[in-house]
Amino acid sequence: ILNVEQSPQSLHVQEGDSTNFTCSFPSSNFYALHWYRWETAKSPEALFVMTLNGDEKKKGRISATLNTKEGYSYLYIKGSQPEDSATYLCAFIRNTGNQFYFGTGTSLTVIP
Amino acid sequence: NAGVTQTPKFQVLKTGQSMTLQCAQDMNHEYMSWYRQDPGMGLRLIHYSVGAGITDQGEVPNGYNVSRSTTEDFPLRLLSAAPSQTSVYFCASSYSGSGETQYFGPGTRLLVL
Repeated sequence: ILNVEQSPQSLHVQEGDSTNFTCSFPSSNFYALHWYRWETAKSPEALFVMTLNGDEKKKGRISATLNTKEGYSYLYIKGSQPEDSATYLCAFIRNTGNQFYFGTGTSLTVIP
Repeated sequence: NAGVTQTPKFQVLKTGQSMTLQCAQDMNHEYMSWYRQDPGMGLRLIHYSVGAGITDQGEVPNGYNVSRSTTEDFPLRLLSAAPSQTSVYFCASSYSGSGETQYFGPGTRLLVL
């Protein structure tokens, strides 16, 4: 069993606050790390695909970093808005196959 | 482009019944996959395909069959439904393999009584 862990499980922040959460994955056989945003009653949508140690990706107020040697990725949201409320998923892919291993997600609620 | 489509949106089955969940994509993606989503478990990979005629098992393949006769379609078959297969099923596709962004369908909610 391959463990991909996300923390915290849920998070409530005030509008305007900045926040971050963690995805932990095995440090061996790394190929790629994906981040997805999943709104209630919708399908997951891709945020970032990260492949290199030290990668930093940014899309608007959302950014992510990657440390493949220690097996973690951080997702940051600057100045949270109510529309950022969603579950954020990470998925780990090994270099030995084509399987995605998803974490259980961090549920973010931004309070106006 | 319609993207990734799934039918039906919702289905109720009795234990032992069979059914096929349909998935189609119009983006000429080689890689397609099926996931189930259960509370507290996240998305778990059932089966995947890296191209027409090629399929492989994921993390939780038992009780499910797949085939990939065309690039566009990737149906998931439940031969004899069990209550443990009550779940939400998502189909996803990407241009090629695991380094590429996956695009998800809207999901099929299945209830097995």
